[in-house]
Amino acid sequence: QLQLQESGPGLVKPSQTLSLSCTVSGVSISRSIYNWGWIRQPPGKGLEWIGTIYYSGSTSYNPSLKSRATMSVDTSKNQLSLTLSSLTASDTAVYYCAGGPKAGAALLRFDSWGQGNLVTVSS
Amino acid sequence: SYELTQPPSVSVSPGQTAIVTCSGDKLGNKYVSWYQQKPGQSPVLVIYQDNMRPSGIPERFSGSNSGNTATLTISGTQAMDEADYYCQAWDTSTLVFGGGTRLTVL
Repeated sequence: QLQLQESGPGLVKPSQTLSLSCTVSGVSISRSIYNWGWIRQPPGKGLEWIGTIYYSGSTSYNPSLKSRATMSVDTSKNQLSLTLSSLTASDTAVYYCAGGPKAGAALLRFDSWGQGNLVTVSS
Repeated sequence: SYELTQPPSVSVSPGQTAIVTCSGDKLGNKYVSWYQQKPGQSPVLVIYQDNMRPSGIPERFSGSNSGNTATLTISGTQAMDEADYYCQAWDTSTLVFGGGTRLTVL
């Protein structure tokens, strides 16, 4: 069974860069049978897609993040990672990593989610 | 940019049918997924590809999608179904979530 666990700081200063990791268990990322995504949720608000790493290794990002986000995969650690630069208070949110079965963008879905990592951007 | 519109709230009595809608331009031409999120928990996929249920999701959850509206239907709603529900679809180069609907089981 696929399980995901996010890890990273709980507090980051404005203008700094956020780095989050997501440890995947239950499947080897190198098997390329899953799509992986990062989604965030500001306190009391809805879900916002950050980006997806497809089973093929290609990526897509939410244009609204204006190239501040970068996702990558470390197959040696079976981890996903997300960096988000130039942070402001509006980036305060619970950050989730999630996985879904191999599929094209139009069929993208996330069957498994991590428990989330609350990140507060404040000085 | 593409938008998915959901009613902020829906109320239903236990045992009755709850209907949550999600509207978007030509949404019927896209695949829609639905997620359930209870307070303090991560989202759970309850419907994908418009009307498919993942393993472990009760049969009372069903979905449809046509025209500009996708619908999540919960038949025989139970107290445990009280949660926020989000629709999701893909448009051009962006995955979009609806704003969410809080389902209250009165």
